[in-house]
Amino acid sequence: DAKTTQPTSMDCAEGRAANLPCNHSTISGNEYVYWYRQIHSQGPQYIIHGLKNNETNEMASLIITEDRKSSTLILPHATLRDTAVYYCIVRVEAGTASKLTFGTGTRLQVTL
Amino acid sequence: DVKVTQSSRYLVKRTGEKVFLECVQDMDHENMFWYRQDPGLGLRLIYFSYDVKMKEKGDIPEGYSVSREKKERFSLILESASTNQTSMYLCASSSIRGPFPSGANVLTFGAGSRLTVL
Repeated sequence: DAKTTQPTSMDCAEGRAANLPCNHSTISGNEYVYWYRQIHSQGPQYIIHGLKNNETNEMASLIITEDRKSSTLILPHATLRDTAVYYCIVRVEAGTASKLTFGTGTRLQVTL
Repeated sequence: DVKVTQSSRYLVKRTGEKVFLECVQDMDHENMFWYRQDPGLGLRLIYFSYDVKMKEKGDIPEGYSVSREKKERFSLILESASTNQTSMYLCASSSIRGPFPSGANVLTFGAGSRLTVL
């Protein structure tokens, strides 16, 4: 699986957009980009994933560069409840159990 | 709502004790996973299962075993607990069926079980 690189931590003011970058320069053509987040004392929560095209759901938007070597998770209007560790993962979408490997992620702190 | 339930939120055990961590999911998912999470190391996969009575080693299986007798239940067993197994343990499940994005890599996690071994 391709490795990912994320900043260790980021700050964002409440109400502003939070843009979390992820580098995955060795991604292969059939690997998807997944984002999860983990709020303190809870299990990780799936946010969004995509292959080539930008994706949007009720939680966030995912922007993938044309060469697919990097992506950005966007939380359009961050709130204090978005304070969490955000994990970017790349993995083949397969029909069998797949070992998702979580790195150490980006700790996002949303402040007043 | 999709749910993964871990039986104990907090446990304290003594070195050498046998420890059972139970996980139940109510989504009819085929795949189930056990991870441990430690500061600075992220989540590491211990074991996973893609079917009843099937199991596969993850990245750090040493000192652990698992049991999956029923589709909805996946148990993690520490035969003889040691202090270096003090950790947060997270169970997850996923399905191989369903339309995008309900793919095999969309995991639903439980709230976690924090185990302290004295």
